Amino acid sequence: GEDVEQSLFLSVREGDSSVINCTYTDSSSTYLYWYKQEPGAGLQLLTYIFSNMDMKQDQRLTVLLNKKDKHLSLRIADTQTGDSAIYFCADLPNSGYALNFGKGTSLLVTP
Amino acid sequence: DTGVSQDPRHKITKRGQNVTFRCDPISEHNRLYWYRQTLGQGPEFLTYFQNEAQLEKSRLLSDRFSAERPKGSFSTLEIQRTEQGDSAMYLCASSLASDSQETQYFGPGTRLLVL
Repeated sequence: GEDVEQSLFLSVREGDSSVINCTYTDSSSTYLYWYKQEPGAGLQLLTYIFSNMDMKQDQRLTVLLNKKDKHLSLRIADTQTGDSAIYFCADLPNSGYALNFGKGTSLLVTP
Repeated sequence: DTGVSQDPRHKITKRGQNVTFRCDPISEHNRLYWYRQTLGQGPEFLTYFQNEAQLEKSRLLSDRFSAERPKGSFSTLEIQRTEQGDSAMYLCASSLASDSQETQYFGPGTRLLVL
């Protein structure tokens, strides 16, 4: 299947901005999503972006999409210790049902 | 709206036993999905339903896996003759098919350990 790739780890200090990057290969992807997973829990939807947009902002979250390079990023402003979790990037192919996830980026926020 | 719920949250079983997991979607959602997540990986799609119809099942991992959604509301995922490699988190999600972005909302998952 098509690949979604993310860097595995990111460590930032509390109050700094975090940027989590993702690349995907399926040019038919219609929507791209960011989910957050805390230890032992399910996935919490953070935000999504339609493939014909290049930016979306939602409170502390900013999503940037470069469709030409198939590159997606999630910026978290003023990162807090409660933001420590695994962040998954996922794309939704044109078929419209099976989300295709990356392996997740583990974000550690230190005081 | 209580979100997607799954039961049980944890299951320990012996190799060779059958297990069944239940998922209750968000009440107005007509699509329901099952995913599997192994350690260090992202979720992997297994199957999905629109109402009671199972529209995709070719990605179920083997013929030991089956899913039902008999009345178009809750769903069950059954694994027969469990193997140690079945140990994973099983996640359910639901969405509203008329929702333009098809946002899938996930439940807390059922963590399966096969001894």
